Amino acid sequence: NAGVMQNPRHLVRRRGQEARLRCSPMKGHSHVYWYRQLPEEGLKFMVYLQKENIIDESGMPKERFSAEFPKEGPSILRIQQVVRGDSAAYFCASSPGRAEHNEQFFGPGTRLTVL
Amino acid sequence: QKEVEQDPGPLSVPEGAIVSLNCTYSNSAFQYFMWYRQYSRKGPELLMYTYSSGNKEDGRFTAQVDKSSKYISLFIRDSQPSDSATYLCAMSPYDKIIFGKGTRLHILP
Repeated sequence: NAGVMQNPRHLVRRRGQEARLRCSPMKGHSHVYWYRQLPEEGLKFMVYLQKENIIDESGMPKERFSAEFPKEGPSILRIQQVVRGDSAAYFCASSPGRAEHNEQFFGPGTRLTVL
Repeated sequence: QKEVEQDPGPLSVPEGAIVSLNCTYSNSAFQYFMWYRQYSRKGPELLMYTYSSGNKEDGRFTAQVDKSSKYISLFIRDSQPSDSATYLCAMSPYDKIIFGKGTRLHILP
């Protein structure tokens, strides 16, 4: 029973390039959450998605960041024109549904380094 | 005042000791309280999940919530070197989880 899958595990980009982070939720889970973790900081909520819907994007920066969770395939967190301050660990979590929102299962994370 | 406060540590205790980890919070709307364990370079793992005030026990782990004091605790009995990790408290009114910064715990063999 595979858990939450994220790829790539490590991603290096130069300033100005695009970063695409992928997340496949646990089997049977239809809700996905993205978090960012900076060194010595806690997890910060970014966005909450259901299949084909963005439920809550109040934690997403207004520019350069976008997320989607299509009907088929993984959820994608996209960062355009990356800057050094985007370097962080990005975690995806999933839950079976909204009622189980507080029981989120996390993936291993993608560590983004911007040169 | 931050919504969730957690001492970052590090906290070092000898193997076999009882560990006490704590968080305070300011938002009285929080109803759900969680503890996550995160090993270095890994994703957080849900350890304990409680609703409202009270105690919950699971093996060597006990979670306590005191809503009147806005204070939650995680106790680890008979601590093992494998318990060495960062422990994150988390809480939610319903639809958004707020995490503490985490406490780094070292269990000394």
